[in-house]
Amino acid sequence: QKEVEQNSGPLSVPEGAIASLNCTYSDRGSQSFFWYRQYSGKSPELIMSIYSNGDKEDGRFTAQLNKASQYVSLLIRDSQPSDSATYLCAISPSTASKLTFGTGTRLQVTL
Amino acid sequence: GAVVSQHPSWVICKSGTSVKIECRSLDFQATTMFWYRQFPKQSLMLMATSNEGSKATYEQGVEKDKFLINHASLTLSTLTVTSAHPEDSSFYICSARNGGNTIYFGEGSWLTVV
Repeated sequence: QKEVEQNSGPLSVPEGAIASLNCTYSDRGSQSFFWYRQYSGKSPELIMSIYSNGDKEDGRFTAQLNKASQYVSLLIRDSQPSDSATYLCAISPSTASKLTFGTGTRLQVTL
Repeated sequence: GAVVSQHPSWVICKSGTSVKIECRSLDFQATTMFWYRQFPKQSLMLMATSNEGSKATYEQGVEKDKFLINHASLTLSTLTVTSAHPEDSSFYICSARNGGNTIYFGEGSWLTVV
């Protein structure tokens, strides 16, 4: 089992819809969870971080964490074509540790 | 947010030569920096963790003598690809931890070895 698993996609959603991206992880000791967005040919950009169970909202983005079920998700409301990118889930067991990345989910927002 | 700068953005070098890539944290001190490599359509692969003033910790399968990492100050880490070969052509990305939980990425450096 991979440490961090994501569906590679592509996930295609129409403009204005909600995009739901999911990530599962194997290490129950994981404490820090991140979502990064990566455009083709560019480096990752931090979108959201979440550390405790529940939802965390920032603008059109909502991160959801469920440690008991070992999954973290990212919702993008009112999806825009500019949201088309690969979304990387990253997890860290502690504040001083390296990040483990999933393979990313490619999101396509269609007009 | 915090800024991490990488230089050069792209570089072409001849096979057998060495290339140095710099990673700087511009507005915070980074005790830990990370170096990744990414091949097209693949995820980020962690190469090594660089701690200021100490030797880097390399991931399994990464040749430490080929990928030299130096973290001489709290704001600068360098990656030197020695005796580069075409198979080393890749997108190299550094990141830095800002002292808290968050890791910020540099812009990345495209290396092409011809």
